[in-house]
Amino acid sequence: SQQGEEDPQALSIQEGENATMNCSYKTSINNLQWYRQNSGRGLVHLILIRSNEREKHSGRLRVTLDTSKKSSSLLITASRAADTASYFCVLTGSARQLTFGSGTQLTVLP
Amino acid sequence: SAVISQKPSRDICQRGTSLTIQCQVDSQVTMMFWYRQQPGQSLTLIATANQGSEATYESGFVIDKFPISRPNLTFSTLTVSNMSPEDSSIYLCSVLQGYQPQHFGDGTRLSIL
Repeated sequence: SQQGEEDPQALSIQEGENATMNCSYKTSINNLQWYRQNSGRGLVHLILIRSNEREKHSGRLRVTLDTSKKSSSLLITASRAADTASYFCVLTGSARQLTFGSGTQLTVLP
Repeated sequence: SAVISQKPSRDICQRGTSLTIQCQVDSQVTMMFWYRQQPGQSLTLIATANQGSEATYESGFVIDKFPISRPNLTFSTLTVSNMSPEDSSIYLCSVLQGYQPQHFGDGTRLSIL
């Protein structure tokens, strides 16, 4: 099963700034998901975007999907120190198993 | 969403021993999965735990090393057998209910000396 490739690997910003993370993939998808992991603990589902959607919002999160470019981006607006975490782009396989990208480590400085 | 309890949360084990990790869900779920996260790495799927039958393993993972049980729709175990330092990882279970997103337990942080 394919894996998303994320960029950048690490991102450090000041509190209040916006953070943008990108994900690229190789073959067609039904949907793409973003998960967050705080300090090597369990993962929290953030948002799912379907292949027929171009943009989706959830609170301070905005996800875009460009199927022609096979890419997605996650934007976190007005970041907070509590947003410090690893963010993963996740693709779903045919048996509903998840394939995780390498992740972006976001650090929000107070 | 389902509440997942994973035990133990962490353990330090001796080389050559085995450890069984438990994943308990507070409601019946369609599917259960086990993932491994090696230090500084992303998550890799080990297997899909099938209720009442043998688990479905991903490439690179075998039943002798990672036996899995799923006796009912709310419980599964993963055993890490004959451990070596290379098995030091976080092991996570996840569950799927219908068409909801997969939810994860807090993970088991395993260190092998």
